[in-house]
Order: sequence, then structure tokens, then C-alpha cells
Amino acid sequence: QKEVEQNSGPLSVPEGAIASLNCTYSDRGSQSFFWYRQYSGKSPELIMFIYSNGDKEDGRFTAQLNKASQYVSLLIRDSQPSDSATYLCAESTNAGGTSYGKLTFGQGTILTVHP
Amino acid sequence: DAGVTQSPTHLIKTRGQQVTLRCSPKSGHDTVSWYQQALGQGPQFIFQYYEEEERQRGNFPDRFSGHQFPNYSSELNVNVLLLGDSALYLCASRRLRPQLLAKNIQYFGAGTRLSVL
Repeated sequence: QKEVEQNSGPLSVPEGAIASLNCTYSDRGSQSFFWYRQYSGKSPELIMFIYSNGDKEDGRFTAQLNKASQYVSLLIRDSQPSDSATYLCAESTNAGGTSYGKLTFGQGTILTVHP
Repeated sequence: DAGVTQSPTHLIKTRGQQVTLRCSPKSGHDTVSWYQQALGQGPQFIFQYYEEEERQRGNFPDRFSGHQFPNYSSELNVNVLLLGDSALYLCASRRLRPQLLAKNIQYFGAGTRLSVL
């Protein structure tokens, strides 16, 4: 049974600070990792994806992947009140093309950015 | 470019009833997945359809069934509703081929909020 665990929240940071969200996964075969943002009552919105070890930056967001430690994280720089949401970490395994890409999600971390 | 669309947005049913939820994938996408998200939890994978066949299934009972049509749209059916089926049901679509470029990037619809009384 694959598992994706996210650091327990809620996480509260002041406006302008760096928010750090963490996720670990159990399956060494996991290949693709995704961060979704979900506002209350809304559907998940993809904000970052990463496949290779190291960092991937997109604007204020940086995703970090360490496959040896089975660890993926999301950093949000210059946090804004509009970043307040639940952040979902997900993994997917595409094993030789036989997997159709089921996503396994963590339970989510609630982030609050206060002015 | 239309994104993933789901209908209805909200639904109230009573225990024992049956429900059908609908999903139209994003333009150019050929694979549809369904997820159940209970309050305060991450989405749980129900099943995935490609080429009108169920390709993968999560840990859900046979009361949950689905269908994919030639135009790639999909339905989720739940029979004999239980109180525990109350949740947000999410549809996600992706383009399976060419897989090299797809990288399993899935886009979600707005969801259907199902309440079972």
C-alpha cells in the first residue's frame, strides 16, 4: 500500500516569509510528484510537478525532490495571504507504460499566511 | 479551451438511492480518473478510464462503477448510497498518448458535492 505523508498542520506564517511544506512517500518506484493547491470548497489546482532529483523553481515556488530520502518539499517565498489554502502532495508511478497514472495523495497541509 | 467540466455541482440523495455524476475532460485529453475527497482528507483514487475501459481501480466496492464514452466523457455511478459516501467527487483528465510528454499531469474539474442523508 503506497503512502504519502505530509507534515501535520496547520502551518501559519507571516506575510513575506518563506513557507515550507514537506512530504514523504513510501514507494521507491514513485516517479512523478505533484503539488496541488486547494482553496476551501474548491477543486485542486496544480502548481508544481517534479520528476528529477534536485530543485525546480517557478516564480515564488520551489519544489525539491530527494529520491534517496523519499522526500519532496515545496517552498513558497514571499508568502501572501492569497497563498492561504490546503496544499496537497501527490505521487504517481508510470511503470513501463502499464500504469495509467493513478495519483496517490497525502492528507494535505493547511497553510495560513497572516498579514 | 474548456477545462474539465463536471455536473451537477451539488446533489442531495438519501440512503439506498443511486446517483450518476458526469465529467467532460479537457480538450485533447483521453483519460479520465475519478477521486473521492472526504472532508479534511486528500482525494482517494476510485478508478480510471481509457479507451472506454476501466484501466485501474482503487480500493472501492463494486457499488462504484463507471463508464467512458467515445467522446472521452465519463460517468461515475454509485449504487445503494451510504451516509459515508457523502464527499466531494472529483474528475481529473490527462492525455495518455504520447506518454513521453504527458508525464501524468492531471487537471481537475470543480467537483460534485454529494450529500447523503
